[in-house]
Amino acid sequence: EVHLVESGGGLVQPGGSLRVSCAAAGFTFSDYWLTWVRQAPGKGLEWVAAIKGDGSDKYYVDSVKGRFTISRDNAKNSLFLQMTSLRAEDTAVYYCVKHLLGATSHWGQGTLVTVSS
Amino acid sequence: QSVLTQPPSVSGTPGQRVTISCSGSSSNIGINTVTWFQQLPGTAPKLLLHSNDQRPSGVPDRFSGSKSGPSASLAISGLQSEDEADYYCAAWVDSLKAVVFGGGTKLTVL
Repeated sequence: EVHLVESGGGLVQPGGSLRVSCAAAGFTFSDYWLTWVRQAPGKGLEWVAAIKGDGSDKYYVDSVKGRFTISRDNAKNSLFLQMTSLRAEDTAVYYCVKHLLGATSHWGQGTLVTVSS
Repeated sequence: QSVLTQPPSVSGTPGQRVTISCSGSSSNIGINTVTWFQQLPGTAPKLLLHSNDQRPSGVPDRFSGSKSGPSASLAISGLQSEDEADYYCAAWVDSLKAVVFGGGTKLTVL
């Protein structure tokens, strides 16, 4: 059974940095694209970033380019999102997702990031 | 404002059939497949349909999808109270090298 567990969320001041992580189990981690999707309180879903199985390709939504970095450690079955220069509008639940648009899509439960002074 | 347009809300009574539209363009839905997600209250989203109309195992056949040109639809027949949720469509956009979501549709079962 696929398990995705996010961690690392919390309260951070505007302009600050935070790294969220996702621990995966139940599938061959390096075979799959992984994605971060966020959801601001009471709002819809927003795709944030994606990384190929071997880490060779990465894509970002325009609003986070230059501020967020997606990475993975295939030896530890872990996905990361390093967030810098955080803004109030980055406040959201961040979901780790395996193979977002495919037949084997699976979502974690999310971790809340709050950017506030 | 989302790239993919969905109605904010739809409603129906138990047993009824409802549809949720997802309107895009020739640069997204027009050339790529559509995926639908269901988000039950207080939970993470889950995959409902992929490749326009394919149901993963475990999804009832009451849920069906279709695509025509730059638009797609999700149909739910034999509506049940447990179908009350938010529904999102999504597609890849080649020019953006990004995934776009619809704004989401809240389904209320009256």
